[in-house]
Amino acid sequence: KQEVTQIPAALSVPEGENLVLNCSFTDSAIYNLQWFRQDPGKGLTSLLLIQSSQREQTSGRLNASLDKSSGRSTLYIAASQPGDSATYLCAVWRAAGNKLTFGGGTRVLVKP
Amino acid sequence: DTGVSQDPRHKITKRGQNVTFRCDPISEHNRLYWYRQTLGQGPEFLTYFQNEAQLEKSRLLSDRFSAERPKGSFSTLEIQRTEQGDSAMYLCASSWTSGSTDTQYFGPGTRLTVL
Repeated sequence: KQEVTQIPAALSVPEGENLVLNCSFTDSAIYNLQWFRQDPGKGLTSLLLIQSSQREQTSGRLNASLDKSSGRSTLYIAASQPGDSATYLCAVWRAAGNKLTFGGGTRVLVKP
Repeated sequence: DTGVSQDPRHKITKRGQNVTFRCDPISEHNRLYWYRQTLGQGPEFLTYFQNEAQLEKSRLLSDRFSAERPKGSFSTLEIQRTEQGDSAMYLCASSWTSGSTDTQYFGPGTRLTVL
């Protein structure tokens, strides 16, 4: 059974500092890995999707890496801003399947 | 707005009552998913449809839960005889299957509180 873990559960940084969010998964037979953002009481917004054949994806200040063999992904957010405060979730798709298996999320607070 | 919509956004009910939630996916999307999220946790998969066919159900979906997508468009999730443990955010997502990628777009969720 696939298990996804995100450590730390919460993170507080001063504005301008780079954020590093970690995600690990137990079964390397994943299809894709996706990072989401969730604001309090709201739904999920997709940030980046990394296909299993890719090593990383970039969008603006966001960069996500994927190492299937070690079961890890890292989301980097450069030059954090107070508007980046949210919960960040990673999710994996199992091979030949469709459901997402989520980690518990990392709650980020960027202090002005 | 052409995103995924869910109704209602909030529902408060008493234990033992039945509740029904609705999800309207992005119009051309053929897949529709339901997830449940409790406070401080990530979402957990409940079930998904491809067109009107329900293809997979999680063990979390007890016999008190039923989901339908009768015409392959909107979907409903019904919970019968609600329990306090059913209190959660119920999230709907939709996608268009294209083989290798299947990005799911999420709705705002329905927050259920069972008193």
